[in-house]
Amino acid sequence: AQSVAQPEDQVNVAEGNPLTVKCTYSVSGNPYLFWYVQYPNRGLQFLLKYITGDNLVKGSYGFEAEFNKSQTSFHLKKPSALVSDSALYFCAVRLLPYGNNRLAFGKGNQVVVIP
Amino acid sequence: EAGVTQFPSHSVIEKGQTVTLRCDPISGHDNLYWYRRVMGKEIKFLLHFVKESKQDESGMPNNRFLAERTGGTYSTLKVQPAELEDSGVYFCASSQDGGAYEQYFGPGTRLTVT
Repeated sequence: AQSVAQPEDQVNVAEGNPLTVKCTYSVSGNPYLFWYVQYPNRGLQFLLKYITGDNLVKGSYGFEAEFNKSQTSFHLKKPSALVSDSALYFCAVRLLPYGNNRLAFGKGNQVVVIP
Repeated sequence: EAGVTQFPSHSVIEKGQTVTLRCDPISGHDNLYWYRRVMGKEIKFLLHFVKESKQDESGMPNNRFLAERTGGTYSTLKVQPAELEDSGVYFCASSQDGGAYEQYFGPGTRLTVT
């Protein structure tokens, strides 16, 4: 069985400080990993993905994430948080290569950036 | 390029009634997915279409849920009869072929069963 854990319910950070949203996964094989963000009253927006290659991937809005196979983690980071980054963040995994295309999501982290 | 659209945005129905949700994927995306998020819980996979064929429907909760994708374009998800536990946000997503492609999500339909 595959699963994704986002251990913190809410992440509070002051504007301008580094932002980290944690994600660990539990799958067999080589996963495809994704981060999505949901702003209020909006759908999920794709931020970035890890497929293969460089462990550090860069995405939209200045976000990046680091794939760590030994720790089975894929933490989302941003060097300097903005108030507009306040949203719900979801980590997701898809099993490769023989799994289907379904995504398994974590429960989501509410990020609050304090002005 | 238009994104994934869903209709309606909200639906409030009584237990026992029928509701049909619609999803229009991004043009050219053969893969279409339905997911559901019950209040405060994880987003759960429901099913996956490739064109008009159901590739994987293992996430469908029970036979009160029926999904169709006639002609391989838009998709509908019907709940009949609705139960209280069906309340939640239903998301539709679409993607290009291949496992490496990200899925693009619609805004969701918030279903409330009273």
